[in-house]
Amino acid sequence: GGIITQTPKFLIGQEGQKLTLKCQQNFNHDTMYWYRQDSGKGLRLIYYSITENDLQKGDLSEGYDASREKKSSFSLTVTSAQKNEMAVFLCASSLGPYAEQFFGPGTRLTVL
Amino acid sequence: GDSVTQTEGQVALSEEDFLTIHCNYSASGYPTLFWYVQYPGEGPQLLFRASRDKEKGSSRGFEATYDKGTTSFHLRKASVQESDSAVYYCALSDLATGGNNKLTFGQGTVLSVIP
Repeated sequence: GGIITQTPKFLIGQEGQKLTLKCQQNFNHDTMYWYRQDSGKGLRLIYYSITENDLQKGDLSEGYDASREKKSSFSLTVTSAQKNEMAVFLCASSLGPYAEQFFGPGTRLTVL
Repeated sequence: GDSVTQTEGQVALSEEDFLTIHCNYSASGYPTLFWYVQYPGEGPQLLFRASRDKEKGSSRGFEATYDKGTTSFHLRKASVQESDSAVYYCALSDLATGGNNKLTFGQGTVLSVIP
C-alpha cells in the first residue's frame, strides 16, 4: 500500500497572493494530478504529469502553475489568489492509463 | 469534449431503502467508466470500474452496468446503510481524446442515509 500526503491541510491567503500547495506520494506511481473540487461542480483537472519534469494542462489551468520536482512530488501554485478560487484542491496519482487514481485528503483554500 | 451528467445532486434515504443514482455520459471514443466514493474529510476512492458494454462493476453491495446504447452507468444498491452516507462521483476515462488517464467527473451526488 501507499499514501498521498498533501500540505498544508488548510491554506489561508490574501487576494492577489501567490500560494503553493504540495503533494507527496510513496506509491512509486508515474502519473500525478491536481484537481479542484467545488461544491456541486465535481472535480476539475488543473494539471497532470506523466513523469518527472513533465507537465500537461488540464481544463482549469489558467491562474495556476505546477511543478513535478521528482517522481514522488507534485506542487501546485496559485499565481494570484482570488476569492472565487476558494475550494478544496485534491492531489492524485496512478500507475498509468485506466489504472485507479489514488487521492490525497485535500487542501482547503480560503482567500480573504 | 467528454462529459458526465449525474441527475441527482442530493439524495436522502432511510436505512434499507433502495438506491439509484443516475449517470449518463458523452464521449467521442469507447471510455472506461468509474464510480468513486468520497467520505467526509477524505479524498475520493475507487468503488469499481467497467470497460466494456454490458460489463457489470460491483463492490460493497453497490453495482452498475455499462450500457453503451443508452450511454449510462447508473449506480444501484438494494439496501443502504447509514455508513453509505458520502458523496458519489461517476467518471470516465477516454484515451480517444488524448492525454494519459485523464478522468472527467460528474458533479457528484450527496447521499444521506437516515437511521
